[in-house]
Amino acid sequence: KAGVTQTPRYLIKTRGQQVTLSCSPISGHRSVSWYQQTPGQGLQFLFEYFSETQRNKGNFPGRFSGRQFSNSRSEMNVSTLELGDSALYLCASSLEVAGGGTDTQYFGPGTRLTVL
Amino acid sequence: GENVEQHPSTLSVQEGDSAVIKCTYSDSASNYFPWYKQELGKGPQLIIDIRSNVGEKKDQRIAVTLNKTAKHFSLHITETQPEDSAVYFCAASITPDGQNFVFGPGTRLSVLP
Repeated sequence: KAGVTQTPRYLIKTRGQQVTLSCSPISGHRSVSWYQQTPGQGLQFLFEYFSETQRNKGNFPGRFSGRQFSNSRSEMNVSTLELGDSALYLCASSLEVAGGGTDTQYFGPGTRLTVL
Repeated sequence: GENVEQHPSTLSVQEGDSAVIKCTYSDSASNYFPWYKQELGKGPQLIIDIRSNVGEKKDQRIAVTLNKTAKHFSLHITETQPEDSAVYFCAASITPDGQNFVFGPGTRLSVLP
């Protein structure tokens, strides 16, 4: 099975611009989570989508948003970019155990976003 | 909310020695604890995980132990090899109805040949 894929792998933007990142989960996985990774803050949870609905949300401003499509692919969008948004953005997918419960997350390679 | 601490932040061992990384969590409702290995330029890769109904799990050179009473869990790597050098993250689940985790700050492991 192919793993989690993320596009693009690298992005350079300037302050004030917006950006859209894409994630394709492992085939059959229905839950997609997004994380921001920085040297100072580590891995921080952004949000999670399941069946096209945002199920959980982390502590990030409204400039960070996402969506999930019917094929489970997900996108996240960051508007009005700030220098502090420079980070590695990671997507992870989970199968979703029948009846709920926490399932193993598998990460993609990430998108490295640099804001100048 | 859940808080996960991880120690040490850096660890250097000689090839062939063992390495131990420890994590503590604060929310007794957490029930799933994965460990990830991240190499430079790559996303985190799951190496082992444990659920709250189990005290220990092994997979070849890697083992994880969980003490629910003390709210801590540890990663043990035996017979370390240079390719084990990476950053290791522990995590704890925080929502029973979704895939939501809090990660520790990471441990940079260096295995010296």
